[in-house]
Order: sequence, then structure tokens, then C-alpha cells
Amino acid sequence: GENVEQHPSTLSVQEGDSAVIKCTYSDSASNYFPWYKQELGKRPQLIIDIRSNVGEKKDQRIAVTLNKTAKHFSLHITETQPEDSAVYFCAASINSGNQFYFGTGTSLTVIP
Amino acid sequence: DVKVTQSSRYLVKRTGEKVFLECVQDMDHENMFWYRQDPGLGLRLIYFSYDVKMKEKGDIPEGYSVSREKKERFSLILESASTNQTSMYLCASSLPGPYEQYFGPGTRLTVT
Repeated sequence: GENVEQHPSTLSVQEGDSAVIKCTYSDSASNYFPWYKQELGKRPQLIIDIRSNVGEKKDQRIAVTLNKTAKHFSLHITETQPEDSAVYFCAASINSGNQFYFGTGTSLTVIP
Repeated sequence: DVKVTQSSRYLVKRTGEKVFLECVQDMDHENMFWYRQDPGLGLRLIYFSYDVKMKEKGDIPEGYSVSREKKERFSLILESASTNQTSMYLCASSLPGPYEQYFGPGTRLTVT
């Protein structure tokens, strides 16, 4: 099956700086890549996703890039704010399937 | 508004007990999932169901079973709870194929 690796496991940034989280996947058939944010004590929620027919997608301060050749994708958060502090999970999924394969998570702390 | 609910937020059970965790979604989703979340290990799939009475094993099905008698309800059963099943359990639902999964609030299960 698919194997998704996520780095770093923890990340601290100053408010206003950028944060980057990287994931790699193993199965070249994967073509859907969502990112979830989980605040302390709350459920994971989708913040952005990308399909393999595009290389980049942006939503305000959040962007995701995908490199299919290298089999990696990244989450970029610009102008970080304290409310961005949370655990972020990447995942990969194959179009013909229903299962998500999640990374192990990145705990992001934004220092005011 | 999308809604996935779980029967309990916190549960304490004794070793050897049979435990039922229930999940209900109101979005008419075909797919439902049970995950286990442990620190440093991310979200690991236990079982998923793509239709009523249909189920597929995920990555860690040992010690668990599931039941889906109605489309909106997906139950996770621990036949004989053990201390290594102490964890956060998350339910999710989605449309067929790789689309956003909507998560429930989670059940923190402690087995003593």
C-alpha cells in the first residue's frame, strides 16, 4: 500500500514568518492530496487539497505544491498567526480507491 | 451543515469488556471510516465501509470489528478490550472516491 512520510514532526515559527511542511508518498498512482488541520481537542478539518492534474493551489495565506515526478507535496503558510498553531496532517489517496494514507503529523507552534 | 457525531467523547472500560463505539452522519455519505489516533503515529485506518453491510480492513484491524446496518451509522466493536487499545478513536465519512473526509469529534477510550 501507499506510504506517506511527513516532516518535520514539530515546527516553531515567529508570528509573521512562513511555515513549510513537506510530505513524500510512494505510490505513483496516488492523485489526491488533502491537508488537514487539527486544533487542540478538536476534530481534523480539511484546509486545502490538490489533485495531480495541477502543480499548485492557493487559498489566501495557504498554498500547496505538488511535484509528481519526485512524489512530494508541501504545505506553505505565509504570514503565520497564533491561530495557525495546530497539528497538520498530509494524506494521499488513489483515484480508484476510497482510503486516505495519512502522514504522522506536524505540530506547528506560532510564537507571538 | 455537515455533521458527524460519535456516541461518547470519553469512555473508560475494563480489560476484557466488549466495547461499542458508534458514529452517525447526516450527509448521506456512502463511505464511513474508523481511525485510531496516537501521538507520533498519525491517523491509522482500522476499517472502512463503502456501503451498507460492506466493509474493508484498513491497516490495523486486529482486535476490532465493525457493523454497518444502516447507511448513516457505522459502529466499531472491540470484542475484548485490552490496555493497548487505549487511544483516541475518530470516525469520518465521505462521498465515494477520493473526496474530503468529514470527521467526528472523537472518542477518547481508556482501557484499565
